[in-house]
Amino acid sequence: KQEVTQIPAALSVPEGENLVLNCSFTDSAIYNLQWFRQDPGKGLTSLLLIQSSQREQTSGRLNASLDKSSGRSTLYIAASQPGDSATYLCAVISTSGTYKYIFGTGTRLKVLA
Amino acid sequence: ETGVTQSPTHLIKTRGQQVTLRCSSQSGHNTVSWYQQALGQGPQFIFQYYREEENGRGNFPPRFSGLQFPNYSSELNVNALELDDSALYLCASSPTGPGYTFGSGTRLTVV
Repeated sequence: KQEVTQIPAALSVPEGENLVLNCSFTDSAIYNLQWFRQDPGKGLTSLLLIQSSQREQTSGRLNASLDKSSGRSTLYIAASQPGDSATYLCAVISTSGTYKYIFGTGTRLKVLA
Repeated sequence: ETGVTQSPTHLIKTRGQQVTLRCSSQSGHNTVSWYQQALGQGPQFIFQYYREEENGRGNFPPRFSGLQFPNYSSELNVNALELDDSALYLCASSPTGPGYTFGSGTRLTVV
């Protein structure tokens, strides 16, 4: 059974810091891994999607890496800003069964001005 | 503009009542999934429909049911509401296979 874990659960950093959010998954048989941002009480905004054959994806100040063999992904945020404050969710879609996301519980990020 | 619209945005119901949540997907999105997100948790998969047939279900009781219509809209129905059903309900759709677009969700409060 696929399980997704995110560490840390919460993070508070001063503005301008570079930071790394971690995601691990127990079954390496995945189609893709996706990072989402969620503002309080809102829906999910897709940040980066990494296909299983890819090693990383970049968008602006965000970079996500994927190491399927070790069951790990990291989301790197450069030069953090107060507007980056949100919950970041990692999710995988496994190759077995229904195409459904298995989510981690998220990392709550607060960037202090 | 995500292309996936959910209604209503907020809803308050009484325990024991029934509720219907709605989702409108982009044209050509034949796959729709529903997720429940309790406060402080990641979303949990409820079920998925492909071309109007349920083709996957998570660990949710039968009082959670759904429908998908030919016009790419769908519904999530919950009967006999319980306090623990209070959550954000998310709809996600895809043309085919993995790679979904999420709606903004419906916040359901059961009192």
